[in-house]
Amino acid sequence: ETGVTQSPTHLIKTRGQQVTLRCSSQSGHNTVSWYQQALGQGPQFIFQYYREEENGRGNFPPRFSGLQFPNYSSELNVNALELDDSALYLCASSLQGASGNTIYFGEGSWLTVV
Amino acid sequence: KQEVTQIPAALSVPEGENLVLNCSFTDSAIYNLQWFRQDPGKGLTSLLLIQSSQREQTSGRLNASLDKSSGRSTLYIAASQPGDSATYLCAVTGYFNKFYFGSGTKLNVKP
Repeated sequence: ETGVTQSPTHLIKTRGQQVTLRCSSQSGHNTVSWYQQALGQGPQFIFQYYREEENGRGNFPPRFSGLQFPNYSSELNVNALELDDSALYLCASSLQGASGNTIYFGEGSWLTVV
Repeated sequence: KQEVTQIPAALSVPEGENLVLNCSFTDSAIYNLQWFRQDPGKGLTSLLLIQSSQREQTSGRLNASLDKSSGRSTLYIAASQPGDSATYLCAVTGYFNKFYFGSGTKLNVKP
């Protein structure tokens, strides 16, 4: 049990729709990052938030956006869904933005786009 | 751009064997390297974290080594058990705790 919870656990959306995924961070953690993991692949970094501001982004288009709230929970929003967006979306939380700190992953949200 | 490669992609061994999983990365400017375990349909569980200044870390039957200059890490699992069956992911950490993951090694330990 990592203390990082994600919702929903599974969802199915239609191409062109929008989706919001949610993450509740480990208590005391002020940094949250999101990863996309396609089937059979390793997770790919989407972006990271530190104290409510985005401070790092991977190679994902602007239709992937996020928010971090004052209680450090977070949302990942994906607009104009495409079939290739089908994947496991993982949220991870850590303390501070410095490298080397322990990071905890949630169980993920499975998104299927049809 | 950092690229992480894991070999082999899949491994099937009988229970009790000692085994080695390999990870290589292209950019040696890393903060640390971490090995994770992922069970089917689940999130990631951290197994071992090696800081860039360290050479190895041990936890129970697991031992991970890091050779930053050559861009390589190995995860050694002693006396494998069926409960070790999972996908093992290697990740190197760059600036701002951004992880670069390999595609994983899917391990099956047969009773």
